[in-house]
Amino acid sequence: GAVVSQHPSWVICKSGTSVKIECRSLDFQATTMFWYRQFPKQSLMLMATSNEGSKATYEQGVEKDKFLINHASLTLSTLTVTSAHPEDSSFYICSARVGLNSPLHFGNGTRLTVT
Amino acid sequence: GQQVMQIPQYQHVQEGEDFTTYCNSSTTLSNIQWYKQRPGGHPVFLIQLVKSGEVKKQKRLTFQFGEAKKNSSLHITATQTTDVGTYFCGNAGGTSYGKLTFGQGTILTVHP
Repeated sequence: GAVVSQHPSWVICKSGTSVKIECRSLDFQATTMFWYRQFPKQSLMLMATSNEGSKATYEQGVEKDKFLINHASLTLSTLTVTSAHPEDSSFYICSARVGLNSPLHFGNGTRLTVT
Repeated sequence: GQQVMQIPQYQHVQEGEDFTTYCNSSTTLSNIQWYKQRPGGHPVFLIQLVKSGEVKKQKRLTFQFGEAKKNSSLHITATQTTDVGTYFCGNAGGTSYGKLTFGQGTILTVHP
């Protein structure tokens, strides 16, 4: 089956530093990937749609300069949280689909803690 | 995707009892997808419904899509402790990106 790998699983960083999260589709090509954010016991909030070879599409209220997304190849998308602050601490999950009408396959998520 | 509302937010049941979560929209949905997220895990796809009045079953799980395609439900018969987790419904919009918007989720706790 389709596998999405996300790295790292967890990261602790100091306030003001930047953190990069990688999302890879291991056995399929993904022209589109999606980045979600989840707070404890809450739903998954779509942050942005990552498009291979072009700019990401951000959801309303998500800061583009804060959450940099790069979709460098058909199997890799990265999310960089720039100048992280404690309020950025959250669970970030990426996902991808094999085809437009197929379900989403999620990575294992990255738990970010900013101290 | 279009906004979907999901109820209840929490559900506590005794093992063996049934469980149902509901997903509602004010507008017609092109499809409904259901996912399960175990505690500490990531969402895993369960099923997709696209046809009006569609009913699908997976062992003890029954999924329904309303006739008007504005609501959906997930029913679990005789819950087990392995059913614990958060159940999300989601709508993948009809745009070329097909982004999935999730409901609030229902957190299911099963007491042995």
